[in-house]
Amino acid sequence: EVQLVQSGAEVKKPGESLKISCKGSGYSFTSYWIGWVRQMPGKGLEWMGIIYPGDSDTRYSPSFQGQVTISADKSISTAYLQWSSLKASDTAMYYCVRHGRGYFDLWGRGTLVTVSS
Amino acid sequence: EIVLTQSPGTLSLSPGERATLSCRASQSVSSSYLAWYQQKPGQAPRLLIYGASSRATGIPDRFSGSGSGTDFTLTISRLEPEDFAVYYCQQYGSFMYTFGQGTKLEIK
Repeated sequence: EVQLVQSGAEVKKPGESLKISCKGSGYSFTSYWIGWVRQMPGKGLEWMGIIYPGDSDTRYSPSFQGQVTISADKSISTAYLQWSSLKASDTAMYYCVRHGRGYFDLWGRGTLVTVSS
Repeated sequence: EIVLTQSPGTLSLSPGERATLSCRASQSVSSSYLAWYQQKPGQAPRLLIYGASSRATGIPDRFSGSGSGTDFTLTISRLEPEDFAVYYCQQYGSFMYTFGQGTKLEIK
């Protein structure tokens, strides 16, 4: 089955670091860009950035450049989204997505990140 | 950055009726790179339409997309109970993706 499987929900304190994951299966992981989309509570969708696991070429939305780091380990078909110092405003659902030709054709179920003191 | 504005914000209709959702771009968008998604509560979004008018795999033919340039439309010909959800449009250009703010389709 073609799918993206995301890591589980996280509860963190402000200032802590975090790395969440997204494992692709059922397709050639190195042949598609993988992106991340944020959805804050009760809000819409925001594209954060995208990586090509084949060569780790990475692009960020200007809104998220410098705020997060996207990486991938093609040997285990896994992409990552990480923060070095979380803020309460990072509380959101984070979806990993597979990029088709200008659209996101496959979505993970999401990882809920809660940042609270 | 291209801004997508969806209207209306909320659409109240009954099952069996026709729904027309609008997505307007702040500048011209390639039709190849305009998509629509459906999101139900507690679920991840699902791709409905790509390339402005092509249905994704498994999407019923009551869903159709149209438009070009700066004006795009998602039409649901006859609403089924499971169609009541939030719908987002999305565009892509030069490694930049933006979403509209969403239209909530609710049962009247």
